[in-house]
Amino acid sequence: GQSLEQPSEVTAVEGAIVQINCTYQTSGFYGLSWYQQHDGGAPTFLSYNALDGLEETGRFSSFLSRSDSYGYLLLQELQMKDSASYFCAVRDRGWQAGTALIFGKGTTLSVSS
Amino acid sequence: DTAVSQTPKYLVTQMGNDKSIKCEQNLGHDTMYWYKQDSKKFLKIMFSYNNKELIINETVPNRFSPKSPDKAHLNLHINSLELGDSAVYFCASSPQGGGYTFGSGTRLTVV
Repeated sequence: GQSLEQPSEVTAVEGAIVQINCTYQTSGFYGLSWYQQHDGGAPTFLSYNALDGLEETGRFSSFLSRSDSYGYLLLQELQMKDSASYFCAVRDRGWQAGTALIFGKGTTLSVSS
Repeated sequence: DTAVSQTPKYLVTQMGNDKSIKCEQNLGHDTMYWYKQDSKKFLKIMFSYNNKELIINETVPNRFSPKSPDKAHLNLHINSLELGDSAVYFCASSPQGGGYTFGSGTRLTVV
């Protein structure tokens, strides 16, 4: 079966650094994505890793190790507005085969002052 | 300009009723999706359309019927609503292999 595991909750203080891990077991792998969702809002795209290594976008970075079926989202200089749910997602089939993202169950990040 | 818009935002209805949710995207994306998010925030794919053609139909009761009149629109019709259908339904679109843009969601409550 397909599964993505990520911690259910993480807490941190403003200004800190937090890492949200994601391990996946899928029949195929065509990239790991991260999405942010505030309460009552829609998921929004944060980052995408198709190849091993680190991708940096401002305060957020995402890492992938395909050999370990593992990735993480790193959030630096945390702000109160970063309090949200974070989802890792995997595309398990190539585009031609018809595909949709499989989402993890989400990690709720709470940032306190 | 809203990129992916879905209506209505809230829907409260009685068991047994039939309801529809509409979705439109102005991003020029080829692929559109319906996801269901349950009370535990789990996002599960229901359907995917590519250029009006159904390409993914997950294990969803046949009371749910998607319809895509053109590649910018994907609607969801639900017959004989049940209590367990209560959830937030998200429409999304993406370019081929690209990141998703989600609509704001429709919170469906069946009473």
